[in-house]
Amino acid sequence: QVQLVQSGAEVKEPGASVKVSCKASGDFFTSYAMHWVRQAPGQRLEWMGWINAGNGNTKYSQRFQGRVTITRDTSASTVYMELSSLRSEDTAVYYCARFGPHYYFDYWGQGTLVTVSS
Amino acid sequence: NFMLTQPHSVSESPGRTVTISCTGSSGSIASNYVQWYQQRPGSVPITVIYEDNQRPSGVPDRFSGSIDRSSNSASLTISGLKTEDEAAYYCQSYDSSNHERVFGGGTKLTVL
Repeated sequence: QVQLVQSGAEVKEPGASVKVSCKASGDFFTSYAMHWVRQAPGQRLEWMGWINAGNGNTKYSQRFQGRVTITRDTSASTVYMELSSLRSEDTAVYYCARFGPHYYFDYWGQGTLVTVSS
Repeated sequence: NFMLTQPHSVSESPGRTVTISCTGSSGSIASNYVQWYQQRPGSVPITVIYEDNQRPSGVPDRFSGSIDRSSNSASLTISGLKTEDEAAYYCQSYDSSNHERVFGGGTKLTVL
């Protein structure tokens, strides 16, 4: 049974960084890519980037290039998404999602609300 | 960059059929697979269509997907509408020019 469990809600001040974790259960971890998608309140889903959990290669959205870093810890079956230089517009729910064998997001984490406020 | 455009909202009555469009900004939408995700308020998205027209197990056959090359668009059709289908629906594909995943703006479906 595949499950993706994310870390809890965060409140950050503008200019700070946030690191969200996503722990995977099941024996698939290094076989698939893991993506991060965010959704600001009342807004669309927005793709941020992904990591090949097997070799650690990453690809980031141009929109977040330079501010986002995705890493993984294979021993803990966990991927991380760190977003720096936070601003109020980064207030959103952040999701991790597995990119499955049929090339779509087949499993999602429960979401982590990040609030950026002074 | 490649963009996907969806209508902001649609509404239809229970039992009827509704079609939601997703139009590609450039190139051919048929060049890369299109997926459709359903997101009920306060919930995580779930896939209802992948690879243009395939349904994951557990998704009823009332949901179907298609590609229209002439209009460079993808469509999600839901027949026999139920109140539980009320949700936001997002199309998603791939931008080959920059290797990024792309979501449409989402369509709010109201079943009334």
